[in-house]
Amino acid sequence: GESVGLHLPTLSVQEGDNSIINCAYSNSASDYFIWYKQESGKGPQFIIDIRSNMDKRQGQRVTVLLNKTVKHLSLQIAATQPGDSAVYFCAENSGTYKYIFGTGTRLKVLA
Amino acid sequence: EAEVAQSPRYKITEKSQAVAFWCDPISGHATLYWYRQILGQGPELLVQFQDESVVDDSQLPKDRFSAERLKGVDSTLKIQPAELGDSAMYLCASSLGSSADTQYFGPGTRLTVL
Repeated sequence: GESVGLHLPTLSVQEGDNSIINCAYSNSASDYFIWYKQESGKGPQFIIDIRSNMDKRQGQRVTVLLNKTVKHLSLQIAATQPGDSAVYFCAENSGTYKYIFGTGTRLKVLA
Repeated sequence: EAEVAQSPRYKITEKSQAVAFWCDPISGHATLYWYRQILGQGPELLVQFQDESVVDDSQLPKDRFSAERLKGVDSTLKIQPAELGDSAMYLCASSLGSSADTQYFGPGTRLTVL
């Protein structure tokens, strides 16, 4: 309910440091994963994706790591900037059209 | 860059009234999703279309919610009557259409029911 949402896990990092946001997914059959960034009052924005035949994928300042053994996904943001402050969600897809979203992590960048 | 369009962006209504939200997916995207997102939580799927057909509406409260995508392009989500607990962000997303295609979201409609 609403009280659970207000206790969203929060990661606070100093501007310029690297951030690591973690996600545990539920379905061992999931083979496609997306990280989304959601700023207050806006829709989720695609950041990076990875398929299960890979364990690492890099984008601009972002890297996603996939550990299928323990069903764990992480998002690394290099040189975190104030504009990176947002809630980050992982989403998994098991080869169907349906996505399952994680609970989200709030990233706060400290000046 | 192509985007998913939604309107209105904000809607305030009184309980028992009817509300409707509109979504225009990215051109060429066959799959369209409607989600509800409560503050601080991840999006929860309400209904999913493949072209004009409903693929999954198992989480749609069908006594008050309805969705259509008559021509397989844009879509409308309706709530009648609205209840206080319907206050949330309503998100539309689309993907090309084959399994595990990247899903892109619109800006959402923030609904407040008084």
